[in-house]
Amino acid sequence: KTQVEQSPQSLVVRQGENCVLQCNYSVTPDNHLRWFKQDTGKGLVSLTVLVDQKDKTSNGRYSATLDKDAKHSTLHITATLLDDTATYICVVGDRGSALGRLHFGAGTQLIVIP
Amino acid sequence: EAAVTQSPRNKVTVTGGNVTLSCRQTNSHNYMYWYRQDTGHGLRLIHYSYGAGNLQIGDVPDGYKATRTTQEDFFLLLELASPSQTSLYFCASSESSYEQYFGPGTRLTVL
Repeated sequence: KTQVEQSPQSLVVRQGENCVLQCNYSVTPDNHLRWFKQDTGKGLVSLTVLVDQKDKTSNGRYSATLDKDAKHSTLHITATLLDDTATYICVVGDRGSALGRLHFGAGTQLIVIP
Repeated sequence: EAAVTQSPRNKVTVTGGNVTLSCRQTNSHNYMYWYRQDTGHGLRLIHYSYGAGNLQIGDVPDGYKATRTTQEDFFLLLELASPSQTSLYFCASSESSYEQYFGPGTRLTVL
């Protein structure tokens, strides 16, 4: 059973618009949550990691929230650029060490058009 | 910045073929992982290792073997490749923390 669900599956926005990506999960325990950006056919680039029970992070035009009570996270991208076109992957880690397992969502494909 | 490299970057083989995917990390990380990524699925763990000579079974190990010859090198072996193994394969490494550093991926096509 999929333990990390992302929505929407795909999203098209115009350059300059804002967008919000959602991640719901059932992983237990949920030590941390990370968002990755993956360009087509390329590797995963970490955008941000959230750790606290109710956490917020900001990294340039990317900001994220985590609510462990709701097992829910959001990734906000403001003023999108064409280079933001990519798949965004939500990953939940069940431990705070390398002995833990990572649980991956299938990703949201974001397409930014001119 | 942690460095993880994979080779080859692209590989095409036929059903029943023998394939070896290579991964090298130069950061003295103890932990290394092999994942596969398929459309509609998140990355799935095939095999992983805690150090040279150590091997652990992941969640989708069938049809795959792995060898960790040194701290730097981790290999994934497909001895009788099947079309169901057509996928994008990622290697990752980590030290003692939960952060994993991913390689650029190897696209494997089994005809």
